[in-house]
Amino acid sequence: AQKITQTQPGMFVQEKEAVTLDCTYDTSDPSYGLFWYKQPSSGEMIFLIYQGSYDQQNATEGRYSLNFQKARKSANLVISASQLGDSAMYFCAMREGSQGGSEKLVFGKGTKLTVNP
Amino acid sequence: DAMVIQNPRYQVTQFGKPVTLSCSQTLNHNVMYWYQQKSSQAPKLLFHYYDKDFNNEADTPDNFQSRRPNTSFCFLDIRSPGLGDAAMYLCATSRDRAGEDNEQFFGPGTRLTVL
Repeated sequence: AQKITQTQPGMFVQEKEAVTLDCTYDTSDPSYGLFWYKQPSSGEMIFLIYQGSYDQQNATEGRYSLNFQKARKSANLVISASQLGDSAMYFCAMREGSQGGSEKLVFGKGTKLTVNP
Repeated sequence: DAMVIQNPRYQVTQFGKPVTLSCSQTLNHNVMYWYQQKSSQAPKLLFHYYDKDFNNEADTPDNFQSRRPNTSFCFLDIRSPGLGDAAMYLCATSRDRAGEDNEQFFGPGTRLTVL
């Protein structure tokens, strides 16, 4: 079974608007972390934001915020005021903390975001 | 400023000709990872080193080997590249391997072409 599901292969947004990229996860580990990475066409994976399973508040980093709904096992990325430079692939990833294999980062299949001028 | 460096950025090799990709880091992190990412797919972990302790993923082909001569450097050796090994190879590091908040820092990747 997939541990990270990103149901949107591609998304389009108008410049300056907000966009939400979906991510759901599956784990029985009570301790886990959720990450979002951006991958431009150049290939580098750029860390955007992190949410821990015990964090009470949703994570925010500048224009990025994470809508964490633990009961629904979802960790959607919200990008406010989209810019042309936000066009890229976006990967949601999970790391399980307390059980064996905590060194592994499991990625979803990604969402390709295109920002239109 | 570069923290995780990968050389070369683009590598072309011939079918069956051994190739080595290199990764170095200035972060003094304990853990170094190698991922394979094929076109339009998610990165797939091949193996990682925790210090000198090598950890291979169960489904990583024997064709892929790795060396970590010191903390800063890690190499990916592909002994006999096949056409199916053409991919982006990403190196990443993390301070430690335990703990759910342990962020991984990625290099820019090496795009391997096999002719």
